[in-house]
Amino acid sequence: NAGVMQNPRHLVRRRGQEARLRCSPMKGHSHVYWYRQLPEEGLKFMVYLQKENIIDESGMPKERFSAEFPKEGPSILRIQQVVRGDSAAYFCASSAGTGTANYGYTFGSGTRLTVV
Amino acid sequence: DAKTTQPTSMDCAEGRAANLPCNHSTISGNEYVYWYRQIHSQGPQYIIHGLKNNETNEMASLIITEDRKSSTLILPHATLRDTAVYYCIVSESPEDAGKSTFGDGTTLTVKP
Repeated sequence: NAGVMQNPRHLVRRRGQEARLRCSPMKGHSHVYWYRQLPEEGLKFMVYLQKENIIDESGMPKERFSAEFPKEGPSILRIQQVVRGDSAAYFCASSAGTGTANYGYTFGSGTRLTVV
Repeated sequence: DAKTTQPTSMDCAEGRAANLPCNHSTISGNEYVYWYRQIHSQGPQYIIHGLKNNETNEMASLIITEDRKSSTLILPHATLRDTAVYYCIVSESPEDAGKSTFGDGTTLTVKP
């Protein structure tokens, strides 16, 4: 399976708990993007990472949200002290970056976070 | 700072061509036009992209006007499975496209 893998598919958290969302990019892809989609809204960019580096986090909320993409392992989007407003679908996409013929991004199936 | 405008919704009869327009009147010379779609509850799917010339792949065709201020995505023989939200994005690079907010797109409904 060469696709972008996100897990878990569904995550339920109580208010105040931490949510950890994982994204394994396609094989050979070193660029990862995270998006949030609130109900009935479009995708909003959150953060762009390359291996071990955050390139652009202009779409990330200033507090409680963080992301990482370690040298080994998946990218992690962490939400601390979740609130009901964090309930959304979180999508990850990966690409091979510049110098490649295929400019298309491959998206994962998303993680649906529900805060109760 | 919306760079593109698309109709909110469109209907298409099954088996007919679906033509989805996108206006990008402020597009710069270095910016590509990308199209993605999102079928309900799934992750978005890349369809096609282009700079100046018309493009075609196994999924769709992309027609870009000569002045590059608008484009049309064509699904030649729409099926029920093509019902989705279609997003048009302009960007100078794949990295910048990835940082785009996808906006509201066009909800295409293919009807039997």
